[in-house]
Amino acid sequence: DQQVKQNSPSLSVQEGRISILNCDYTNSMFDYFLWYKKYPAEGPTFLISISSIKDKNEDGRFTVFLNKSAKHLSLHIVPSQPGDSAVYFCAASVDSGNTPLVFGKGTRLSVIA
Amino acid sequence: EAQVTQNPRYLITVTGKKLTVTCSQNMNHEYMSWYRQDPGLGLRQIYYSMNVEVTDKGDVPEGYKVSRKEKRNFPLILESPSPNQTSLYFCASSWSGVYQPQHFGDGTRLSIL
Repeated sequence: DQQVKQNSPSLSVQEGRISILNCDYTNSMFDYFLWYKKYPAEGPTFLISISSIKDKNEDGRFTVFLNKSAKHLSLHIVPSQPGDSAVYFCAASVDSGNTPLVFGKGTRLSVIA
Repeated sequence: EAQVTQNPRYLITVTGKKLTVTCSQNMNHEYMSWYRQDPGLGLRQIYYSMNVEVTDKGDVPEGYKVSRKEKRNFPLILESPSPNQTSLYFCASSWSGVYQPQHFGDGTRLSIL
């Protein structure tokens, strides 16, 4: 049973436009959420995180929104750049410390110049 | 330079031949973890460790062992590898748990014939 779902395997966006990547989860105990970005032949890199006490967190061009009642979060990238082309993973955990981390299957974002 | 180092980067071996993938971090991180990445399945956590001599099972621990005898090292052991363990493996570390940004190694591609 998949607890973290990224239902769009891929997404294409024009350079300069907004990219919206979605993530749904089924476990209501999840309180901590992270996004990681992965380029080919490299390990994932941390992008942005949010805990359940907030509904929005911003870091430059990246914003994560959390809707706990809908068990849904989204990552907005504005404006999108060709260098943002990568696979994006959503991840969730019930605690901030020594606890399992559950990832989604990832969404491949292609930003077209 | 802060880094997580995995060795080997690539390995082709045969069923049943014990192997160890080493992981070392130079950031004095408390938390370390192993993941595997498979097509269509995303990243799945195998084992994680919050401190020396403390290890816990992730989503897919079957067929794997780990040890944390020193803070910096977290080797992944396949006692009797099987073809279904053919995968891309990542080691990661963070200061104090899953909600801190994890630094990932560059990956180890294992092929079990």
